[in-house]
This record gives sequence, structure tokens and C-alpha cells, in this order.
Amino acid sequence: EAGVTQFPSHSVIEKGQTVTLRCDPISGHDNLYWYRRVMGKEIKFLLHFVKESKQDESGMPNNRFLAERTGGTYSTLKVQPAELEDSGVYFCASSQTGGAPDTQYFGPGTRLTVL
Amino acid sequence: AQTVTQSQPEMSVQEAETVTLSCTYDTSENNYYLFWYKQPPSRQMILVIRQEAYKQQNATENRFSVNFQKAAKSFSLKISDSQLGDTAMYFCAFMKFTNYGGSQGNLIFGKGTKLSVKP
Repeated sequence: EAGVTQFPSHSVIEKGQTVTLRCDPISGHDNLYWYRRVMGKEIKFLLHFVKESKQDESGMPNNRFLAERTGGTYSTLKVQPAELEDSGVYFCASSQTGGAPDTQYFGPGTRLTVL
Repeated sequence: AQTVTQSQPEMSVQEAETVTLSCTYDTSENNYYLFWYKQPPSRQMILVIRQEAYKQQNATENRFSVNFQKAAKSFSLKISDSQLGDTAMYFCAFMKFTNYGGSQGNLIFGKGTKLSVKP
């Protein structure tokens, strides 16, 4: 069974540009989460999808971040326009409803550098 | 708001020895879950062990065990017979029960402890 995949693994962009990160969850997992780790700080929750619906987006930092999950499959996280403080590693995780608690399986992350 | 604190940024241990990583948390919730995740240098984070707060018995997974002290809000991880492959970043995480799912929800992480196992 394929794990959670993320693309790209690294992205270097300039301030003001747009970047789109993609996450493919494990097949059949209804829950999809985005997290971010800024250098030297904790991994922070961004948002949670259940299928195609946003269940909790309380962690999204501002309206420059837009997440979508088309058809309840893969998800994209777009940052537009990117700022220096957006640099960090963006993790995606997925889980299958039914566990107690659901075990979240993480992808390898996308390292974003904004210059 | 819940917080998770890992007070040891880095630790090292000799191969085959035992090491304990500490984690404390703060919450007013009564029902919640606690986790230890491991992120080896290859970056994929994997679940090591989990504990339900309502269970008094400490969770164990092979060489990994926890010491869960609910009143003290402490959740330490003990690794016995350390192996070179245990070298990784270890994250303690908290998940509260949610109204919409019960067992789903976002994880709240500590800053992590970098563990090095030396031959």
C-alpha cells in the first residue's frame, strides 16, 4: 500500500510568488490534515479535511493560504503571495475514520524556502 | 489551549542502553490521546506509540514503553536496548476528543527531541 506522498519535496521561490503544494493521501482515507513546521518551532496544525469538506481550518495563518481537496482525493495548498515567514516544512497526513483514535500517517513533507 | 513541552532538545545514548525522553502537557480536557512520533533523517514521520488518557495501563510496543502520569500531565517515552535505527527526532503529541468525530482531530506537537544512538 502506498503511503502519503507530497510534491514537490523542495521548493524555492521569491517573495511575492505563488506556490502550490500537493498531497496524495493513502487511498481510502477520508481525513486529510496539513501541518507546518517553521524553523526551530513546533509542528503546527493548519487544517483538516473530511473527504472534500473543510472540517477545521482554525490553524490557517491568513488568507494568503488556500487549501482544496478536489473530489475528496488529493489536496493542494496554495500560498499566494508568499512571504518570508512562510518558509518551513509543510506536512500532510491522512487517516481512516474508524480507529480510536485515528492514526495519522504522515508524508515526507515539502520544504518551502521563500527568498 | 493545550500545550506540549519537550524539555530535552537533544539527547544521546549508547547502543543497547536505555534512554527516557520526557514530555509534559497542559490541558483542561479529561478525555484525550497522547502520541510519540519518530522522524528519522529521511523525514517521514511515523507513529511509535499512543496512549488513551482513560487507560491507566501504560502502553508498550516492543522496546518502546511510556510512563503516563495523568495527574502530573507527564508522558515520557522509554526506549530499551537502543539501536542505531532509533536515531531520529522524537515528537510528543496531544489530541483532544472532538465534538464531530471523537477520535479525529488535529495533533498538537512539542518541539521535539533529537536522539542520537552511538555505536
